[in-house]
Amino acid sequence: DIQMTQSPSTLSASVGDRVTITCRASQSISTWLAWYQQKPGKAPKLLIYKASSLESGVPSRFSGSGSGTEFTLTISSLQPDDFATYYCQQFHSYLTFGGGTKVEIK
Amino acid sequence: QITLKESGPTLVKPTQTLTLTCTFSGFSLSTSGVGVGWIRQPPGKTLECLAVIYWNDDKRYSPSLKSRLTITKDTSKNQVVLTMTNMDPVDTATYYCAHRLIASPDRSFDYWGQGTLVTVSS
Repeated sequence: DIQMTQSPSTLSASVGDRVTITCRASQSISTWLAWYQQKPGKAPKLLIYKASSLESGVPSRFSGSGSGTEFTLTISSLQPDDFATYYCQQFHSYLTFGGGTKVEIK
Repeated sequence: QITLKESGPTLVKPTQTLTLTCTFSGFSLSTSGVGVGWIRQPPGKTLECLAVIYWNDDKRYSPSLKSRLTITKDTSKNQVVLTMTNMDPVDTATYYCAHRLIASPDRSFDYWGQGTLVTVSS
């Protein structure tokens, strides 16, 4: 099984901050990686697919990068609506999620 | 417009079998490349993909839960059914179904249902 490790698990930030979340795969997954945003009581929402492709309708302040085993999700200027939990997910071999990163208000 | 909705019991007893139904609209499970998956999330924990079924009846299961899971589809009813046997309190979770299209580009799970909370307790 491919394990996905996210860091940090919690991140405190202020509106306007640049935020970076890291995701590491236990083996190479090329660019078969997605990022999701989840708010309390809601289903996950797809933000990024194929490591760096922005899903339609997602603000351009979200960006993804990486390949192989190391990936990052960056929010260029944190907005009030962005306080949520973020998950990475690999879909190279079956589908597995990272442990999540909660972005909270500093 | 693609929509999915989960239905099933909110409470099951330990050792019982859980049956969940995903009813969807806006796409067909007979279209090449289309799949529907089940993902669960215990309270306060991360997401776990349980099973995925594809248009060609290919089925993929979580390696750790494979012996307890069965996923089927009814294309005429636009439904996907997941059964999980021998339920335990640790299976208490919100269960989601989601759409997948393994085409170019593959966007993994791009549309999700609202989820249904299943509690396992005697």
